Amino acid sequence: GNSVTQMEGPVTLSEEAFLTINCTYTATGYPSLFWYVQYPGEGLQLLLKATKADDKGSNKGFEATYRKETTSFHLEKGSVQVSDSAVYFCALSDQGGSEKLVFGKGTKLTVNP
Amino acid sequence: DTAVSQTPKYLVTQMGNDKSIKCEQNLGHDTMYWYKQDSKKFLKIMFSYNNKELIINETVPNRFSPKSPDKAHLNLHINSLELGDSAVYFCASSAYNEQFFGPGTRLTVL
Repeated sequence: GNSVTQMEGPVTLSEEAFLTINCTYTATGYPSLFWYVQYPGEGLQLLLKATKADDKGSNKGFEATYRKETTSFHLEKGSVQVSDSAVYFCALSDQGGSEKLVFGKGTKLTVNP
Repeated sequence: DTAVSQTPKYLVTQMGNDKSIKCEQNLGHDTMYWYKQDSKKFLKIMFSYNNKELIINETVPNRFSPKSPDKAHLNLHINSLELGDSAVYFCASSAYNEQFFGPGTRLTVL
């Protein structure tokens, strides 16, 4: 079945550091790929998405590129802020019509001033 | 303005009780979901409904029964609560391959 593997945290960075959170997937067909963010005590918010190979999703300084050849969708940000501290989830969408999301285990990011 | 809302936000109850969590979306979406997030933050789909009809049931114990009175609502009823049911439950709705999540309901079973 479909699955998502993302790097386990926690990840601790200083403000303005470069961030990479690795995500790889296993899927049949051509899934859509997503990054969701969960701030402390809140629900999930869509951060960015890509629906086909070589698409780049971007939002709030975060980027991820859909790489079919390496089945990856790594999240990057050039300069993190304290306000980016959250749990980040990589996910894929089953293209079988149900649109259900399969999530990775989440990566907790803490950014220190 | 809230797109997907859930009530209650917190629910503390004793083992063996029956409880319900309500979810409403005002986005006009046809598809709604329930997800469970365990203590390690792992998220897993439980159910999906499309226009009031069940389309996904991910091997969830039959103590869990979703009910969709109309396409804007998807409630979750849980019978005979167990300690292992303690988790955060998220409702979501979707359209055009994008899901919108509610704020979650933290269920604690004592």
